[in-house]
Amino acid sequence: AQKITQTQPGMFVQEKEAVTLDCTYDTSDQSYGLFWYKQPSSGEMIFLIYQGSYDEQNATEGRYSLNFQKARKSANLVISASQLGDSAMYFCAMREGEGSNYQLIWGAGTKLIIKP
Amino acid sequence: DVKVTQSSRYLVKRTGEKVFLECVQDMDHENMFWYRQDPGLGLRLIYFSYDVKMKEKGDIPEGYSVSREKKERFSLILESASTNQTSMYLCASSLFYPGEGNTIYFGEGSWLTVV
Repeated sequence: AQKITQTQPGMFVQEKEAVTLDCTYDTSDQSYGLFWYKQPSSGEMIFLIYQGSYDEQNATEGRYSLNFQKARKSANLVISASQLGDSAMYFCAMREGEGSNYQLIWGAGTKLIIKP
Repeated sequence: DVKVTQSSRYLVKRTGEKVFLECVQDMDHENMFWYRQDPGLGLRLIYFSYDVKMKEKGDIPEGYSVSREKKERFSLILESASTNQTSMYLCASSLFYPGEGNTIYFGEGSWLTVV
């Protein structure tokens, strides 16, 4: 079974609109972490935001926020006021396990295209 | 500024050739990773290393080997390249346990075409 699911293979959004990229996860661990990365067409992976499973508040970083709904096991990325430069692939990832036995599990990604 | 450097951005190799992909990080990170990225499949872990000379198989190690002789350098080796290894390869590093304030850093990727 998929441990990280990104249900939207692609999205088109008008510039300046808010965007929500979906990510659901599956783990039986109590302690885990969730990451979002952006990958522009140039290929580099850029860290955006992190949410720990024990964090009670949703993480925010500038225009990025993570809508963390623990009971539903979802960790959606919200981008406010989208810009043309936000066009990229976006990956959700989960760290589960403890210490040296942790694993990083990646979703298949969502391709976001911002229309002018 | 943190940096993960992959030696080759674009390579074209022939079937059967031995291929080396080199990765160097300057952050004194314990962990280093090699991923393969294909459209619709996300990132798939090939190998990772949590210390010098230590390596662990990831999800798709077949056809690959790795070497970590120094902490800052992690090499991916394709012993005999095949066309199904045409892909984008990403190297990454992190401190011992990625999480708050300690993320995973990636190189720019190496696009390998095997003909």
